[in-house]
Amino acid sequence: GENVEQHPSTLSVQEGDSAVIKCTYSDSASNYFPWYKQELGKRPQLIIDIRSNVGEKKDQRIAVTLNKTAKHFSLHITETQPEDSAVYFCAASTSSGGYQKVTFGTGTKLQVIP
Amino acid sequence: DGGITQSPKYLFRKEGQNVTLSCEQNLNHDAMYWYRQDPGQGLRLIYYSQIVNDFQKGDIAEGYSVSREKKESFPLTVTSAQKNPTAFYLCASIDGTYNSPLHFGNGTRLTVT
Repeated sequence: GENVEQHPSTLSVQEGDSAVIKCTYSDSASNYFPWYKQELGKRPQLIIDIRSNVGEKKDQRIAVTLNKTAKHFSLHITETQPEDSAVYFCAASTSSGGYQKVTFGTGTKLQVIP
Repeated sequence: DGGITQSPKYLFRKEGQNVTLSCEQNLNHDAMYWYRQDPGQGLRLIYYSQIVNDFQKGDIAEGYSVSREKKESFPLTVTSAQKNPTAFYLCASIDGTYNSPLHFGNGTRLTVT
């Protein structure tokens, strides 16, 4: 089955700096890669996603890159703000037999220091 | 207002008892999922279902059971066979569109003592 590894597990940055979170996946059949943000005690919420036919996607201060050959994808947050502090999860999705199976990384706790 | 409702928010049980967590959605989504979240381990897939009366085991199905008798409902039973049941449980759904994001409920925090 799919295995998703995520690094680093914790990340502290100064407000205004950039943050980068990296993930690797094992199943070459995975073709959809969402990123979720989870604030303390709340549900995960989608912040950006990328499909396998695209190499990069950007939404304001957030961007995701995908390298299918190397099986890795990354989340980039620029001009970080204190409200970006949360746990971020990458995921890889594989569709088979009509089912979509979504496997998550172990999460990165991002702390933005004012 | 469409969404996924998980109840209760907090649940306490004694060891050896089965307990059922509720998940209801009014999004008319086909697929529903149960994940377990433990500190430092991310979200791990327990069971998922694409249609009524059909479901698949996820990566950590042992000690859990589910049913999907209605499209909008996907209850999870944590049985006494689950060795470490204390965790945060998240229910999610996806619409029928290819490669769509998960929509999560607010979760149920289960504590077994």
